[in-house]
Amino acid sequence: GAGVSQTPSNKVTEKGKYVELRCDPISGHTALYWYRQSLGQGPEFLIYFQGTGAADDSGLPNDRFFAVRPEGSVSTLKIQRTERGDSAVYLCASSLARLAGSINEQFFGPGTRLTVL
Amino acid sequence: DQQVKQNSPSLSVQEGRISILNCDYTNSMFDYFLWYKKYPAEGPTFLISISSIKDKNEDGRFTVFLNKSAKHLSLHIVPSQPGDSAVYFCAASRGNRDDKIIFGKGTRLHILP
Repeated sequence: GAGVSQTPSNKVTEKGKYVELRCDPISGHTALYWYRQSLGQGPEFLIYFQGTGAADDSGLPNDRFFAVRPEGSVSTLKIQRTERGDSAVYLCASSLARLAGSINEQFFGPGTRLTVL
Repeated sequence: DQQVKQNSPSLSVQEGRISILNCDYTNSMFDYFLWYKKYPAEGPTFLISISSIKDKNEDGRFTVFLNKSAKHLSLHIVPSQPGDSAVYFCAASRGNRDDKIIFGKGTRLHILP
């Protein structure tokens, strides 16, 4: 079966521009996560959706970052007025709904490498 | 401040020997610990996890040990194989409370022929 897919795989943009990054989760996965991995670092949590709603957006660095998941499946991460410091690999993951007292495996996509010139 | 620390950026191990990757954490509220493996140009892949109520979990060649008093965990791979060469991320979660995973910076493992 298909895994998590992310498009585009690479995105080069200029400082100040707007970008959208897309994530297609595994079919049937209700939970979706966005992470950002900067060079030499591990993935850093940005936002988590359960269904259509953002259950936890505490990792978004500032109000230039926004994410949506209007139909509970595909999600789009939107970055306004991009800055050079936004350059990173943006990872998306999905999982089944978590049961109380357990943890579900998160399946990651290959990521989108964003370069802001 | 790093809540999950992997102090060795890289590690080289002879094929067939044991690889030991170490990880320390600072937040005593974590109740699940995970190891992810990552190849270049791919997303991280879940490898093995351990609940904070256990001190060992084994899955084939992979064993994770947890020492809660020392806030330390380690991943043992034995015997090491060439396909094990990858970046390994230690991660932690407050799985009973929320779903976010906190990752360490990773350790690059090289398996030498």
